[in-house]
Amino acid sequence: GNSVTQMEGPVTLSEEAFLTINCTYTATGYPSLFWYVQYPGEGLQLLLKATKADDKGSNKGFEATYRKETTSFHLEKGSVQVSDSAVYFCALAVQGGSEKLVFGKGTKLTVNP
Amino acid sequence: DSGVTQTPKHLITATGQRVTLRCSPRSGDLSVYWYQQSLDQGLQFLIQYYNGEERAKGNILERFSAQQFPDLHSELNLSSLELGDSALYFCASSVFIGNEQFFGPGTRLTVL
Repeated sequence: GNSVTQMEGPVTLSEEAFLTINCTYTATGYPSLFWYVQYPGEGLQLLLKATKADDKGSNKGFEATYRKETTSFHLEKGSVQVSDSAVYFCALAVQGGSEKLVFGKGTKLTVNP
Repeated sequence: DSGVTQTPKHLITATGQRVTLRCSPRSGDLSVYWYQQSLDQGLQFLIQYYNGEERAKGNILERFSAQQFPDLHSELNLSSLELGDSALYFCASSVFIGNEQFFGPGTRLTVL
C-alpha cells in the first residue's frame, strides 16, 4: 500500500538555523509528493509540491526534491524564522486514482528567537 | 483563507449522539474530500465525492456517512458517537480530481 514516514518531532531550532525534516515514502504507481503546513489553530496549507522524479518544489524559502531512487522528499530551509513554527506534514497522492492524500504523522517545529 | 468553509468550528456532544458536519467547497471546485485528524491515528482520508457522486472511500467507519449535494456542499454525518471519535475533521476541495486540495479550518469534535 501507500505510506509516508517522516521524522518524529518535535524539532526545536534557534532562529536562522538550518532545517531538515526527513520524509520517505512507499507507493504503488507514480505519486505526487507534497509538504503541507499547519499553523496553530488553523487548517492545512500546501507549502510545496513535486509531481515527478527530480522535480524540486519550493516556496517561502522551503525546498524539497523528489528523489525516486531513494523514495524521499526531504524538506529543507536554510534559515528558519520564528514564524515558521508549525506542524509540517509530508504527503503523497497516487495519480490516476482518487488522488486522496496519504499523510505522514507530522513534525512539530518550534523556532526560538 | 483557503475559500473552503466548515461549520461548526467546535462541537461538543455526548456518546451515542449523532452530529452533522458541513463543508462548503471553494467556488467552482467539484471534488470534496473528508479527513480525520486524531492524536493516535494522525491525518486519515475518510471519503471523497466528485460532482455529487461518491468517488473513493478510506478508513471510514460504518457509523459515518457523507453526501454531496447539487450545490456541491457536503455533509459528514457521524452517529452512535464514541469517545474515540473525538478529533479534528477537515474538508478539502479541488477543481477536479488530481488538482491541488485546499483545506478548510476544520471542525473540532469532542465526545464526552
